[in-house]
Parts: sequence; structure tokens; C-alpha cells
Amino acid sequence: GAVVSQHPSRVICKSGTSVKIECRSLDFQATTMFWYRQFPKQSLMLMATSNEGSKATYEQGVEKDKFLINHASLTLSTLTVTSAHPEDSSFYICSAGRPTPTSYEQYFGPGTRLTVT
Amino acid sequence: GENVGLHLPTLSVQEGDNSIINCAYSNSASDYFIWYKQESGKGPQFIIDIRSNMDKRQGQRVTVLLNKTVKHLSLQIAATQPGDSAVYFCAEVYGGSQGNLIFGKGTKLSVKP
Repeated sequence: GAVVSQHPSRVICKSGTSVKIECRSLDFQATTMFWYRQFPKQSLMLMATSNEGSKATYEQGVEKDKFLINHASLTLSTLTVTSAHPEDSSFYICSAGRPTPTSYEQYFGPGTRLTVT
Repeated sequence: GENVGLHLPTLSVQEGDNSIINCAYSNSASDYFIWYKQESGKGPQFIIDIRSNMDKRQGQRVTVLLNKTVKHLSLQIAATQPGDSAVYFCAEVYGGSQGNLIFGKGTKLSVKP
């Protein structure tokens, strides 16, 4: 159990266009979903935290108008990169949280490789 | 300045040897820690976790040690196999029930057959 999927796995888009990435928890309900970005040979950096039905909380330095997050249901969160630029090219990873009394484990998706040309 | 993020620390071990991967964490108030394994082009995979009221926890072939005095975590992998080759990240949990993770820089483990 606890499988998280992302779609698409890879996307190439032209500069100035928008791209939507979906994150789904397949076999559990996730009250909280997290979005990370990862540059080559670097660690994961948290971009934002989203709770179902409420606005996302963005980390310092992350533009909320550029990275739109929607968490419309307990199994789906979307990240839209608006007016993408080459510097937005990165590996975007989502995770779904299912805190229990003994664990704060997050279940990670397989990631989405975004290339902006 | 130098971008140390472009140079992941690398640990190279012989197949069958034990591996020890180290991590320094930042927040003395963190009460939960997780080790993740990330293979190339994939998302992180949970390995083992430990709460701050423990100093050692064992799993299958893996052991995590926690030293709160010096804010240090280590991951020990016994009888390392080629399939263990990956980047390993420690993560600390902050934010109470929200469970936000802060990831460490990562260590690349290469296993020589």
C-alpha cells in the first residue's frame, strides 16, 4: 500500500508556456501533499505544502503565482508551472503525508522531469 | 561562492562490505528522522526511521544511529550489494503534525562488484 503516482513522468515545453503536473495517492487518502524540486546532484527542496481544500503554504523564495498548487481532493494535487522558463527545468517530486501516532512518513511519487526549451 | 551542492559526497565500497553513511542535521528540536534512498531518475524511497527518544534502530540489513548531542545520524548497511548503489538522504521532521521534512545534502553510494 501507500503508492503515489505522478503524471507525466517527463515533459518538454517551450519557454512561456504552462505545464501541469499531477500527483495522486492511489490507495490512501492524503490530507497533506508536498511538492519538492531537485536540481542535478542536489537535495530535495520543499516548495510548498498543500492541505485538501485550503490554500497551499509556500516556502520562502517560492513564487506562488508562478507555481500554482491545487489540492482539490484527498487523492489529487496538481502543480502548474506558469510561463515556464529554462531555469524552471528541474525534477519535480510530490509526496503524500499520512501521519500516524508513531510516524510522519511521507510517500514519494516517482518524479516529473521538466525541460523548458 | 562555491556551490557545494554540485559535488555530492561519494562513498565507494566493495560488494559484501559494510557501509556507513553519515549525516548532520540542523534543528535540535527535530523529533523524528528518516533515511531515504534515491535511485537515478526516481523519487526517494523510505528505508528506516527513528524517533529522537531512541539512539539506535535496526531494520533488515540496515541500522540507524542517532546522536542528539552532536546532531548526527548514521546509516549502516550490512553486506552491501550492487542494488544498494544510490544516493542516500537523511531527513529531519519539523512542524509537528504537519510533518514537514528537511533533507540533508545526500551521499552517493557506489558498490563495486
